[in-house]
Amino acid sequence: GDSVTQMEGPVTLSEEAFLTINCTYTATGYPSLFWYVQYPGEGLQLLLKATKADDKGSNKGFEATYRKETTSFHLEKGSVQVSDSAVYFCALIRNTGTASKLTFGTGTRLQVTL
Amino acid sequence: DARVTQTPRHKVTEMGQEVTMRCQPILGHNTVFWYRQTMMQGLELLAYFRNRAPLDDSGMPKDRFSAEMPDATLATLKIQPSEPRDSAVYFCASAPFRQLGYYGYTFGSGTRLTVV
Repeated sequence: GDSVTQMEGPVTLSEEAFLTINCTYTATGYPSLFWYVQYPGEGLQLLLKATKADDKGSNKGFEATYRKETTSFHLEKGSVQVSDSAVYFCALIRNTGTASKLTFGTGTRLQVTL
Repeated sequence: DARVTQTPRHKVTEMGQEVTMRCQPILGHNTVFWYRQTMMQGLELLAYFRNRAPLDDSGMPKDRFSAEMPDATLATLKIQPSEPRDSAVYFCASAPFRQLGYYGYTFGSGTRLTVV
């Protein structure tokens, strides 16, 4: 079945450091890929997405590129801020008839310190 | 921005009491999901609906949990009787089925349930 694997957290960085959160997936066909972010006390929010191979999703300084050859969708940001502290979830979806739903990774907690 | 509305935001109840959580999906979204989030188990899918019909509720403890969509603007998740192990944050999410692969889900802010 479909699966998403994320790097273990927490990831602790100093402000202005470079961020990478790794995400790899297993799925047949051509899934759509998503990153969601969950700030403390809130629901998950869509951060960015890519719907086909080599697409780059971007939002709020975050980027991720859909790499089919390595089945990866790593999240990157050039300079993190304290306000980026949150849990980040990688997810995929295949439209397979009646049972379409997102498959989520386990989430990676990011802590950014001054 | 269109949003998924969940009520109540917080609920504290005594063991054995009935709890009902409500969700108003985004207008036009015909697929609704219920998730539970805990520190130990992470994000778990409990049930989901398309066009108000349940598609999968295999993630839900059947003896005490029930989920329904009385109409297209309301989804409910009920626990009866509640137990301390049900303490968690419950999220509702909605999506347009035919555009799931493009838009993903929109999540509500959650109901934080504490059973004492």
